[in-house]
Amino acid sequence: KQEVTQIPAALSVPEGENLVLNCSFTDSAIYNLQWFRQDPGKGLTSLLLIQSSQREQTSGRLNASLDKSSGRSTLYIAASQPGDSATYLCAVSSISSGSARQLTFGSGTQLTVLP
Amino acid sequence: DAMVIQNPRYQVTQFGKPVTLSCSQTLNHNVMYWYQQKSSQAPKLLFHYYDKDFNNEADTPDNFQSRRPNTSFCFLDIRSPGLGDAAMYLCATSRPGQGYEQYFGPGTRLTVT
Repeated sequence: KQEVTQIPAALSVPEGENLVLNCSFTDSAIYNLQWFRQDPGKGLTSLLLIQSSQREQTSGRLNASLDKSSGRSTLYIAASQPGDSATYLCAVSSISSGSARQLTFGSGTQLTVLP
Repeated sequence: DAMVIQNPRYQVTQFGKPVTLSCSQTLNHNVMYWYQQKSSQAPKLLFHYYDKDFNNEADTPDNFQSRRPNTSFCFLDIRSPGLGDAAMYLCATSRPGQGYEQYFGPGTRLTVT
């Protein structure tokens, strides 16, 4: 059964710092990996989706990488801002589930960017 | 803007009193999902529809049911809510042409008194 782990559970950084969030998964046979942002009491916002054949995806100050063989992904945030404060979740769709439709989520990293 | 809409945003119900949460989408996506998320936990998939094909997760309690009358709407029915069902309920959509990238609504916060 696929398990997704995100360490650390919480991270606090000063504004302007570049930072990396980590995600690991136990079964490397995946269709894709998705990073989300969740603000308190809100739904999830999709940030980036990386297909299993891709190594990275970029959107603005965000860059997500995927190393499928080692079961790892990182989300790099450049020049962090207080508005980046949120919980970041990664999720994978596993071939063992039989479909790319279903995601297994990590518990997230709660990021606080201090002014 | 194309989006996923959930109503109501906040719902209070009494122990054992049936409640229905609704989700609608203007994205015209084939797949609609319902997740349950408790505080500081990962979202837990309850079930999903691919068009009218219903897919129930093995550990979803019988107390939870869903209906999808058309492409745009999906409902979550909780037949007899218990205190343990208090949570955020998230609806999401996806389609195969976009790698099943999931788009979420704002959620409904359910309180059971």
